[in-house]
Amino acid sequence: ETGVTQSPTHLIKTRGQQVTLRCSSQSGHNTVSWYQQALGQGPQFIFQYYREEENGRGNFPPRFSGLQFPNYSSELNVNALELDDSALYLCASSFDLDTQYFGPGTRLTVL
Amino acid sequence: AQKVTQAQTEISVVEKEDVTLDCVYETRDTTYYLFWYKQPPSGELVFLIRRNSFDEQNEISGRYSWNFQKSTSSFNFTITASQVVDSAVYFCALSEVGVGSQGGSEKLVFGKGMKLTVNP
Repeated sequence: ETGVTQSPTHLIKTRGQQVTLRCSSQSGHNTVSWYQQALGQGPQFIFQYYREEENGRGNFPPRFSGLQFPNYSSELNVNALELDDSALYLCASSFDLDTQYFGPGTRLTVL
Repeated sequence: AQKVTQAQTEISVVEKEDVTLDCVYETRDTTYYLFWYKQPPSGELVFLIRRNSFDEQNEISGRYSWNFQKSTSSFNFTITASQVVDSAVYFCALSEVGVGSQGGSEKLVFGKGMKLTVNP
């Protein structure tokens, strides 16, 4: 059974640029959630995708957007990057509303 | 709104000591789930336990045990005979179930985490 995978591992961008992060869900899972974890903090919920539609969103601006594909993999897109967007971005997959299992994360640095 | 408080930010113990990590939560929901996750230096959140709000039985898994007390809104985690490999940041989390465009939606609300260092 393959776990949750994310790519890339690390990424460096400059302010104003756009970034796309990718997540492959665990085998048998149909729901993907994205979280942002700033240094020294707990993860904060960005949004959740189910049946290829956004199905719940946290307090993040519209420049954070996502996609879910028919194979349940997902992308997180962030436009107009700001310095405060520097964080570890975690993807979690689950079957419906069951336990969320997390990937290794993508560390984004915005200069 | 849902809230999870982990009052301890950092604990350092010597190997073989027992250590308890505290978690207090706030919710208006009658049905909810509580979780503990472990985050080693590699960054990945590792699932440890999920507990339904209707199940207040304590649980033991090897050296790990959990004490859920609804009356005090606490879900504490104890590591018995700690080992160096237990060194990590531990997060307590609470589920918040809402209604999304595709039906039920669940997000996790995390505490700020507690860094445990186990020294040899």
